[in-house]
This record gives sequence, C-alpha cells and structure tokens, in this order.
Amino acid sequence: AQTVTQSQPEMSVQEAETVTLSCTYDTSESNYYLFWYKQPPSRQMILVIRQEAYKQQNATENRFSVNFQKAAKSFSLKISDSQLGDTAMYFCAFMNPHGGTSYGKLTFGQGTILTVHP
Amino acid sequence: DSGVTQTPKHLITATGQRVTLRCSPRSGDLSVYWYQQSLDQGLQFLIQYYNGEERAKGNILERFSAQQFPDLHSELNLSSLELGDSALYFCASSPPPPSGYTFGSGTRLTVV
Repeated sequence: AQTVTQSQPEMSVQEAETVTLSCTYDTSESNYYLFWYKQPPSRQMILVIRQEAYKQQNATENRFSVNFQKAAKSFSLKISDSQLGDTAMYFCAFMNPHGGTSYGKLTFGQGTILTVHP
Repeated sequence: DSGVTQTPKHLITATGQRVTLRCSPRSGDLSVYWYQQSLDQGLQFLIQYYNGEERAKGNILERFSAQQFPDLHSELNLSSLELGDSALYFCASSPPPPSGYTFGSGTRLTVV
C-alpha cells in the first residue's frame, strides 16, 4: 500500500518570500502521479500542481514548482513570492493510474498548514 | 465552479438518523470518488464508482453505502449516524484513465 508523509504540520512565511513544503511517499510502483492540493479556509480542494513520475522535468505552475526526486521518493512544493491568498492547508497526494484495487485512488498526506504573514 | 456539484452544502441531523449526500460529476467524467475529512483524520478514501460499477473500496463503514446511477450522479447514504460521523464529505470525479480529480465543494455533516 502507498503511504504519503508530510513531516511539517505547520509552516509560516513572510509575504513575497519563498517557502518549501516537504512530502515523502512510499510505493513499489514505477509509474504514478503526484499532486499538491490547496485547501483554503473555504475548505474547497484546489489542485495546485501535478507531476507524472515518468517525466524527469519538474512541474511548474506560475509561482508554484516542485522538486521531484524519484529515487528518494521525495516531492516538495516551492512557493515563490508568497501571497496572503496562499494561506491554506496544503496536501500532498499520490495516485496509482493503473489497474488493481487502488486504481485511481488518491492517498493523501496529513497536510501542512501554511500561514503567509504581511 | 469546479463542475462537480454536491448537495446539500450543510446538513445537521441527530444521532441514529439516516442522510443521503448527492454528487453530480463533471461532464464527461465516468469515475466518482467519495472522501471523508474529519478534523483528526485527514482525508480518507471511502469508495469509488466507475460508470455505474463499484471499483474500489476504502475504510467505509458498513453503515455507509453508495451507488452511481445511469446518469452518473452518485449518492452516499449514511445511516445510524453517530457523533463521530460529523465530517466534511467530498465527492470528486475524473475522466478515464484517471490523471487527477476535480473536487466538489463538499457537504459538511454535523451529527448532534
């Protein structure tokens, strides 16, 4: 079974600075997807970024980028130029896109609460 | 609007009662997933349906059941409710093959 671990329960950063959230996972699969989801106080789950394991290049979406280290099973999220609207809970998640009982299931980490201070 | 519609948004009910949560997936998505988010449990996978068939099951209690109808909307039925069932219940959908989800806005269930 896959597991996802986020070792930082809470993080804080000053507006306009950069912050990195950590995530590690465990799987025996060679091809899979990794995600970062954001959950603001509204509780809506918002996809921030997606990484396909077979792609060497790290995914980027505007101010958000990942550092994907497949051998180390590490998937960190870097937020540049932090904004007050980035304040949220951030979840790392793993998906097995292939067949079997875990097909399509998202396994989430416990989340990291990020607070951006003015 | 994410395209995934969940109703109702809020539900308050008494212990021992039964409720039904409804989800309409995004147009074109065949898979529907249900997740439970409690304060101390994070996001827990409950069950997945694909084109009307149950595809995968997580730690779903026997008091809970779900189904997906021919029009692809899904319902999650929770019965004999306990205080500990109070949580945010999310529905999400994905196209085949799955490469990411779109989440609904959730149903907040409070059992009193």
